[in-house]
Amino acid sequence: QSALTQPASVSGSPGQSITISCTGTSSDVGGYNYVSWYQQHPGKAPKLMIYDVSNRPSGVSNRFSGSKSGNTASLTISGLQAEDEADYYCSSYTSSSTLFVVFGGGTKLTVL
Amino acid sequence: EVQLVQSGAEVKKPGESLKISCKGSGYSFTSYWIGWVRQMPGKGLEWMGIIYPGDSDTRYSPSFQGQVTISADKSISTAYLQWSSLKASDTAMYYCARGYSSSWYPWGQGTMVTVSS
Repeated sequence: QSALTQPASVSGSPGQSITISCTGTSSDVGGYNYVSWYQQHPGKAPKLMIYDVSNRPSGVSNRFSGSKSGNTASLTISGLQAEDEADYYCSSYTSSSTLFVVFGGGTKLTVL
Repeated sequence: EVQLVQSGAEVKKPGESLKISCKGSGYSFTSYWIGWVRQMPGKGLEWMGIIYPGDSDTRYSPSFQGQVTISADKSISTAYLQWSSLKASDTAMYYCARGYSSSWYPWGQGTMVTVSS
């Protein structure tokens, strides 16, 4: 069982907005602004989309945004496009393990 | 360009040993953590462990402690993941990634390990 909880799947139509949640505890998501999000297309390596809760790396579309409230972080994708269909994983720093990083279980985004 | 390049796909038999690699370039290899991630077929990402090549500080997930060994050779900017006795359940894609701020970027292209008799 993953340390961070994500919905197994979400879906949306082109042009719509969707939000993926990532719920942890005060030892990880809630305690630090160190949440990151990764996009993974089938057969490809994960790609960093958001770091430090809400920062976008250079080259990532501004349609992707991140936020956090309490122990739950969220990834929002606006103006959905077919190419956004992928698996999305959250990750957070954690103080509850000497391996100071944990993943969520992943969310499959389907663009209808 | 910051890049991690992993070694190629492997096909092994149960009980065999294996060492796969992850070579960093375009940055100071000794100044950033390297993490190893397992992805079993059709499943999610799992942290296996991380290493800081500068001083070889290594941490393992409890699920992988004692099952694998993570190491690094800073003279050739390469991190390793090794098994002494593979099992069929080790069949998976393995990724390395560089620690970047509190996140992981970039990622290697992945190494597919297949263990089958």
